[in-house]
Amino acid sequence: GAVVSQHPSWVICKSGTSVKIECRSLDFQATTMFWYRQFPKQSLMLMATSNEGSKATYEQGVEKDKFLINHASLTLSTLTVTSAHPEDSSFYICSARGTRSNEQFFGPGTRLTVL
Amino acid sequence: AQTVTQSQPEMSVQEAETVTLSCTYDTSESDYYLFWYKQPPSRQMILVIRQEAYKQQNATENRFSVNFQKAAKSFSLKISDSQLGDAAMYFCASNTGANSKLTFGKGITLSVRP
Repeated sequence: GAVVSQHPSWVICKSGTSVKIECRSLDFQATTMFWYRQFPKQSLMLMATSNEGSKATYEQGVEKDKFLINHASLTLSTLTVTSAHPEDSSFYICSARGTRSNEQFFGPGTRLTVL
Repeated sequence: AQTVTQSQPEMSVQEAETVTLSCTYDTSESDYYLFWYKQPPSRQMILVIRQEAYKQQNATENRFSVNFQKAAKSFSLKISDSQLGDAAMYFCASNTGANSKLTFGKGITLSVRP
Protein backbone atom coordinates (compact mmCIF):
# COMPACT_ATOMS: atom_id res chain seq x y z
CA GLY A 1 0.00 0.00 0.00
CA ALA A 2 0.86 3.72 0.01
CA VAL A 3 2.04 3.98 -3.57
CA VAL A 4 2.63 7.31 -5.24
CA SER A 5 3.17 7.61 -8.97
CA GLN A 6 4.54 10.43 -11.07
CA HIS A 7 4.12 11.06 -14.75
CA PRO A 8 6.13 11.53 -16.83
CA SER A 9 9.28 9.97 -15.40
CA TRP A 10 11.37 12.15 -17.68
CA VAL A 11 10.66 14.97 -20.09
CA ILE A 12 12.69 17.08 -22.47
CA CYS A 13 11.27 20.35 -23.66
CA LYS A 14 12.29 23.49 -25.48
CA SER A 15 12.94 26.73 -23.68
CA GLY A 16 9.78 28.82 -23.35
CA THR A 17 7.34 25.93 -23.28
CA SER A 18 5.31 24.71 -20.31
CA VAL A 19 5.51 21.27 -18.78
CA LYS A 20 3.00 19.55 -16.53
CA ILE A 21 3.99 16.85 -14.04
CA GLU A 22 1.33 14.69 -12.39
CA CYS A 23 1.52 13.14 -8.95
CA ARG A 24 -1.03 10.50 -7.97
CA SER A 25 -1.66 8.57 -4.78
CA LEU A 26 -2.78 5.19 -6.07
CA ASP A 27 -4.20 3.44 -3.03
CA PHE A 28 -4.90 6.12 -0.48
CA GLN A 29 -6.36 9.59 -0.23
CA ALA A 30 -3.77 12.30 0.11
CA THR A 31 -4.93 15.33 2.02
CA THR A 32 -1.60 16.98 1.53
CA MET A 33 0.96 16.70 -1.23
CA PHE A 34 4.44 18.16 -1.37
CA TRP A 35 6.64 19.12 -4.28
CA TYR A 36 10.41 19.00 -4.04
CA ARG A 37 13.27 19.87 -6.33
CA GLN A 38 16.58 18.06 -6.16
CA PHE A 39 19.90 18.81 -7.84
CA PRO A 40 22.47 16.03 -8.29
CA LYS A 41 24.01 14.82 -5.04
CA GLN A 42 22.09 17.41 -3.05
CA SER A 43 19.22 17.24 -0.63
CA LEU A 44 15.55 17.68 -1.42
CA MET A 45 14.39 21.27 -1.46
CA LEU A 46 10.73 21.77 -0.63
CA MET A 47 9.03 23.98 -3.19
CA ALA A 48 5.44 23.98 -2.02
CA THR A 49 2.78 22.26 0.01
CA SER A 50 -0.65 21.68 -1.48
CA ASN A 51 -3.85 20.75 0.27
CA GLU A 52 -6.79 19.37 -1.64
CA GLY A 53 -9.17 22.08 -2.71
CA SER A 54 -7.08 25.02 -1.58
CA LYS A 55 -4.21 27.13 -2.86
CA ALA A 56 -0.70 25.82 -2.50
CA THR A 57 1.68 27.29 0.05
CA TYR A 58 5.02 28.12 -1.53
CA GLU A 59 8.36 28.19 0.22
CA GLN A 60 10.31 31.39 0.29
CA GLY A 61 12.09 32.07 -2.97
CA VAL A 62 9.87 29.83 -5.10
CA GLU A 63 8.04 31.72 -7.83
CA LYS A 64 4.38 30.79 -7.62
CA ASP A 65 3.65 32.12 -11.09
CA LYS A 66 6.34 29.94 -12.57
CA PHE A 67 5.58 26.77 -10.68
CA LEU A 68 1.81 26.35 -10.76
CA ILE A 69 0.44 23.73 -8.42
CA ASN A 70 -3.07 22.33 -8.51
CA HIS A 71 -4.46 19.79 -6.06
CA ALA A 72 -7.91 19.23 -7.48
CA SER A 73 -8.66 15.88 -5.86
CA LEU A 74 -7.53 13.71 -2.98
CA THR A 75 -5.47 11.57 -5.34
CA LEU A 76 -4.00 14.02 -7.83
CA SER A 77 -1.72 17.03 -7.70
CA THR A 78 -0.05 18.65 -10.68
CA LEU A 79 3.00 20.87 -11.02
CA THR A 80 3.23 23.00 -14.14
CA VAL A 81 6.53 24.62 -14.95
CA THR A 82 5.58 27.63 -17.06
CA SER A 83 7.87 29.17 -19.66
CA ALA A 84 10.60 26.72 -18.77
CA HIS A 85 14.24 27.73 -19.08
CA PRO A 86 17.43 25.66 -18.88
CA GLU A 87 17.93 26.66 -15.24
CA ASP A 88 14.64 24.88 -14.44
CA SER A 89 16.23 21.58 -15.45
CA SER A 90 16.18 19.42 -12.36
CA PHE A 91 14.71 16.36 -10.69
CA TYR A 92 11.23 17.01 -9.31
CA ILE A 93 9.80 14.74 -6.63
CA CYS A 94 6.34 14.71 -5.12
CA SER A 95 5.20 13.13 -1.90
CA ALA A 96 1.81 12.55 -0.41
CA ARG A 97 0.56 12.40 3.12
CA GLY A 98 -2.43 10.31 4.00
CA THR A 99 -5.10 11.02 6.53
CA ARG A 100 -3.87 8.65 9.21
CA SER A 101 -0.31 9.68 9.92
CA ASN A 102 2.20 12.35 9.15
CA GLU A 103 4.40 10.01 7.14
CA GLN A 104 5.07 11.04 3.58
CA PHE A 105 5.15 8.61 0.67
CA PHE A 106 7.32 9.60 -2.25
CA GLY A 107 6.84 9.35 -5.96
CA PRO A 108 9.66 8.10 -8.19
CA GLY A 109 10.48 11.57 -9.45
CA THR A 110 10.50 13.33 -12.82
CA ARG A 111 13.64 14.41 -14.58
CA LEU A 112 13.08 17.64 -16.49
CA THR A 113 15.56 18.80 -19.09
CA VAL A 114 14.99 22.16 -20.77
CA LEU A 115 16.96 22.74 -23.95
CA ALA B 1 11.83 26.09 13.08
CA GLN B 2 13.50 22.74 12.75
CA THR B 3 17.00 22.03 11.56
CA VAL B 4 18.62 18.73 10.67
CA THR B 5 22.37 18.39 10.35
CA GLN B 6 24.33 15.65 8.66
CA SER B 7 27.96 16.67 8.82
CA GLN B 8 29.54 13.72 7.02
CA PRO B 9 29.15 13.95 3.22
CA GLU B 10 30.49 10.49 2.51
CA MET B 11 31.20 7.21 4.23
CA SER B 12 32.43 3.82 3.15
CA VAL B 13 31.94 0.41 4.72
CA GLN B 14 33.16 -3.06 3.97
CA GLU B 15 30.50 -5.56 2.99
CA ALA B 16 29.17 -7.48 6.03
CA GLU B 17 30.51 -4.84 8.42
CA THR B 18 28.57 -2.34 10.50
CA VAL B 19 28.38 1.39 9.83
CA THR B 20 26.80 4.27 11.72
CA LEU B 21 25.50 7.40 10.04
CA SER B 22 25.25 10.50 12.20
CA CYS B 23 22.47 13.04 12.43
CA THR B 24 21.67 15.84 14.84
CA TYR B 25 18.57 17.97 14.92
CA ASP B 26 17.11 20.94 16.65
CA THR B 27 13.49 21.70 17.36
CA SER B 28 11.42 23.63 19.86
CA GLU B 29 8.51 21.22 19.50
CA SER B 30 7.80 18.45 21.97
CA ASP B 31 5.83 16.35 19.48
CA TYR B 32 8.04 15.45 16.56
CA TYR B 33 9.13 12.56 14.40
CA LEU B 34 12.46 11.52 12.98
CA PHE B 35 13.13 9.58 9.81
CA TRP B 36 15.92 8.05 7.81
CA TYR B 37 15.36 7.83 4.07
CA LYS B 38 17.43 5.94 1.53
CA GLN B 39 17.82 7.21 -2.03
CA PRO B 40 19.48 4.64 -4.29
CA PRO B 41 20.71 5.47 -7.81
CA SER B 42 17.12 5.10 -9.06
CA ARG B 43 16.40 8.21 -6.92
CA GLN B 44 13.25 6.70 -5.43
CA MET B 45 13.03 7.82 -1.81
CA ILE B 46 12.59 4.84 0.49
CA LEU B 47 11.71 5.11 4.15
CA VAL B 48 14.24 3.12 6.15
CA ILE B 49 13.10 3.76 9.68
CA ARG B 50 11.09 6.21 11.75
CA GLN B 51 11.12 7.21 15.39
CA GLU B 52 8.45 8.99 17.38
CA ALA B 53 10.06 11.39 19.82
CA TYR B 54 7.78 10.35 22.68
CA LYS B 55 8.99 6.76 22.46
CA GLN B 56 12.07 5.98 24.51
CA GLN B 57 12.76 2.69 22.80
CA ASN B 58 15.01 2.90 19.77
CA ALA B 59 13.35 1.85 16.51
CA THR B 60 14.63 -1.24 14.72
CA GLU B 61 13.90 -2.60 11.26
CA ASN B 62 15.81 -5.78 10.49
CA ARG B 63 19.45 -4.73 9.91
CA PHE B 64 18.68 -1.07 10.54
CA SER B 65 18.47 0.46 13.97
CA VAL B 66 18.69 3.93 15.43
CA ASN B 67 20.36 5.40 18.46
CA PHE B 68 17.96 8.12 19.55
CA GLN B 69 19.46 10.40 22.18
CA LYS B 70 16.72 12.90 22.89
CA ALA B 71 18.60 15.11 25.31
CA ALA B 72 21.53 15.36 22.92
CA LYS B 73 19.19 15.75 19.93
CA SER B 74 21.02 13.00 18.14
CA PHE B 75 19.52 10.39 15.82
CA SER B 76 22.09 8.08 14.28
CA LEU B 77 21.42 5.14 11.97
CA LYS B 78 23.26 1.85 12.36
CA ILE B 79 23.39 -0.55 9.45
CA SER B 80 24.50 -4.04 10.41
CA ASP B 81 25.81 -6.70 8.05
CA SER B 82 26.13 -4.14 5.26
CA GLN B 83 25.16 -5.31 1.81
CA LEU B 84 26.06 -4.00 -1.63
CA GLY B 85 22.45 -2.91 -2.06
CA ASP B 86 22.80 -0.55 0.89
CA ALA B 87 24.93 1.76 -1.24
CA ALA B 88 22.91 4.95 -1.60
CA MET B 89 22.40 8.46 -0.32
CA TYR B 90 20.84 8.52 3.12
CA PHE B 91 18.85 11.47 4.40
CA CYS B 92 17.90 12.21 7.96
CA ALA B 93 14.65 14.15 8.28
CA SER B 94 12.17 15.39 10.85
CA ASN B 95 8.69 16.83 11.10
CA THR B 96 6.25 17.68 13.83
CA GLY B 97 2.88 16.37 14.82
CA ALA B 98 1.26 19.63 13.87
CA ASN B 99 3.05 20.13 10.57
CA SER B 100 3.96 17.21 8.38
CA LYS B 101 6.39 19.29 6.32
CA LEU B 102 9.71 17.44 6.36
CA THR B 103 13.01 19.09 7.09
CA PHE B 104 15.90 17.20 5.49
CA GLY B 105 19.59 17.05 6.24
CA LYS B 106 22.10 17.41 3.43
CA GLY B 107 22.47 13.68 3.09
CA ILE B 108 25.36 11.28 3.18
CA THR B 109 26.62 9.07 0.38
CA LEU B 110 27.32 5.57 1.59
CA SER B 111 29.46 3.25 -0.49
CA VAL B 112 29.85 -0.45 0.25
CA ARG B 113 33.12 -2.17 -0.64
CA PRO B 114 32.85 -5.80 -1.77
